[in-house]
Amino acid sequence: AQSVTQPDIHITVSEGASLELRCNYSYGATPYLFWYVQSPGQGLQLLLKYFSGDTLVQGIKGFEAEFKRSQSSFNLRKPSVHWSDAAEYFCAVGASYNNNDMRFGAGTRLTVKP
Amino acid sequence: GAVVSQHPSRVICKSGTSVKIECRSLDFQATTMFWYRQFPKQSLMLMATSNEGSKATYEQGVEKDKFLINHASLTLSTLTVTSAHPEDSSFYICSASTFGSYQETQYFGPGTRLLVL
Repeated sequence: AQSVTQPDIHITVSEGASLELRCNYSYGATPYLFWYVQSPGQGLQLLLKYFSGDTLVQGIKGFEAEFKRSQSSFNLRKPSVHWSDAAEYFCAVGASYNNNDMRFGAGTRLTVKP
Repeated sequence: GAVVSQHPSRVICKSGTSVKIECRSLDFQATTMFWYRQFPKQSLMLMATSNEGSKATYEQGVEKDKFLINHASLTLSTLTVTSAHPEDSSFYICSASTFGSYQETQYFGPGTRLLVL
């Protein structure tokens, strides 16, 4: 079964600084990869997803992620963080044979300093 | 598009009572719906997968008699927490997708916070 690891539980960055959230996955075949954001007390909003093709994926709110098969990684990046980006971020991996079987990482909580 | 709603958004109930949570796909037909549970500051844990018109598939360790799932139509799934106890207090999130497309995405509802007193 697939699994995903988010090594950083909590990250603090200054507003305007760049951001990179790490995600490593484990799966024997080609994975389907997702990043979701969750604001306090809210559900999950899809930021971006990778299924195939270009390994650099653009998402909403200025986020992007790069799939690196050799490193089993799908790190999320943003060149300039805004205070409104403070939230919990979840990386998820779906199995290629059944995309509905999705597993989530533990999440990374982002704090943005003014 | 792809909006999923949940009702209620929060509920407080007494121990021993049952609580029903609804999950609706508002602008698409969801042949598959998922129910997750999220403890404070933790990730989502898949509880069960439900396909329209058939019995739900529960993850290991989830009591199917306690967490009753009904997926009666292509736009509605319900989760009933029976004889709720304080340890059932949690944030319950549903998601919906269209089965059959290998590139389909799960769309998540806003969640329901359950507090059992």
